[in-house]
Amino acid sequence: DVKVTQSSRYLVKRTGEKVFLECVQDMDHENMFWYRQDPGLGLRLIYFSYDVKMKEKGDIPEGYSVSREKKERFSLILESASTNQTSMYLCASSRQGERQPQHFGDGTRLSIL
Amino acid sequence: AQSVAQPEDQVNVAEGNPLTVKCTYSVSGNPYLFWYVQYPNRGLQFLLKYITGDNLVKGSYGFEAEFNKSQTSFHLKKPSALVSDSALYFCAVRDSFSGGYNKLIFGAGTRLAVHP
Repeated sequence: DVKVTQSSRYLVKRTGEKVFLECVQDMDHENMFWYRQDPGLGLRLIYFSYDVKMKEKGDIPEGYSVSREKKERFSLILESASTNQTSMYLCASSRQGERQPQHFGDGTRLSIL
Repeated sequence: AQSVAQPEDQVNVAEGNPLTVKCTYSVSGNPYLFWYVQYPNRGLQFLLKYITGDNLVKGSYGFEAEFNKSQTSFHLKKPSALVSDSALYFCAVRDSFSGGYNKLIFGAGTRLAVHP
């Protein structure tokens, strides 16, 4: 089974802090994704990566950056956290190819106070 | 614009009855369609996908989905609902402008409540 592990299930941070969310997958997948999930809005793509050190902006990249130094690890960075970034963050990975399903971690519920 | 619509915020069904969770899509070219399920405090789990071929696709946990090209729909179905099927269900379509990548566009989700 594919295992996508997000380092924290719950996280509380303060406005203005730099926040790191970590994601690790164990299936040697080429693609990795970061989403945020908000009620009534479904999942919105923040960034994705198709290879080490490669990244592409998703639909809502503002206020976020990412890092992929190793194939199995994809980090989401909130440069200066704001209250409107309080949300559930989901990481996913997949094999290369347009027909491949994505496999998700259990999410990090982030609260910015 | 490409999009996925799940017209029902919530679907209620009695245990043992058939269930349908609706999804319609708008995308350029041939659609690649996916259903996911999310249980409380968990991530999304892949249920099934339609790429090409038979319009009726079978997936995990007894779920199936019917692709209808003329109605641009991909409804999720199960012949006999279980209380344990209660969860949040997401329909997704591959973004056809994402090149060779599998970027997905998700619907807002439908909460399924199965009552004993």
